[in-house]
Amino acid sequence: EIVLTQSPGTLSLSPGDRATLSCRASQSVSGNSLAWYQQKPGQAPRLLIYGASSRATGIPDRFSGSGSGTDFTLTISRLEPEDFAVYYCQQFGASPLFTFGPGTKVDIK
Amino acid sequence: QVQLQESGPGLVKPSETLSLTCTVSGASISSYHWSWIRQPAGKGLEWIGRVYTSGSTNYNPSLKSRVTMSVDSSKNQFSLKLSSVTAADTALYYCARDSVDWLPTGEFSRSFDYWGQGTLVTVSS
Repeated sequence: EIVLTQSPGTLSLSPGDRATLSCRASQSVSGNSLAWYQQKPGQAPRLLIYGASSRATGIPDRFSGSGSGTDFTLTISRLEPEDFAVYYCQQFGASPLFTFGPGTKVDIK
Repeated sequence: QVQLQESGPGLVKPSETLSLTCTVSGASISSYHWSWIRQPAGKGLEWIGRVYTSGSTNYNPSLKSRVTMSVDSSKNQFSLKLSSVTAADTALYYCARDSVDWLPTGEFSRSFDYWGQGTLVTVSS
């Protein structure tokens, strides 16, 4: 079973700061099928990034994804007030077909 | 605009079967995989399984012995049944569309592009 580890667990930043979130897989992610989601309290997750680096429809360009193999990064270039949330990475391919990381909470410093 | 809506009992007794339905609007249920994902309060996301419009399924091995999923294309709905529930199955249950995206490398990626709002299911006597 592939395990995703996200770090840090919590990131305390100010609006305008750059956020760098890490997702590490216990084995190589098939075809770079790695996605990132944003979840705000009381809401369903929202797809931000798929295929490790492609932005989903309607996602602002301050969100970017990078990485391959076992190491992936979500970067938010300049935090807006609405970006404070929990972020999850997700892989497809290994058994179970889909797994999620434990999440990184980005909160206001 | 694609919308998903979960429905079903919010309270299920231990050892009984949890049954949920997801109704899809704004798009045909055909030619997609449709997944169920759950989230215990204050915790992370767990993929339960998925069903294709043909009826073929894939389940999380950790739940496979208790899960059944089905699709009703005539109603644009798909369903989840989880048997022998315990308190550990108490969670917010989401339905979601499993989307495939072909990448410039020729490989493909799968992710969940549309989600329902979630429905809370509590297991308690």
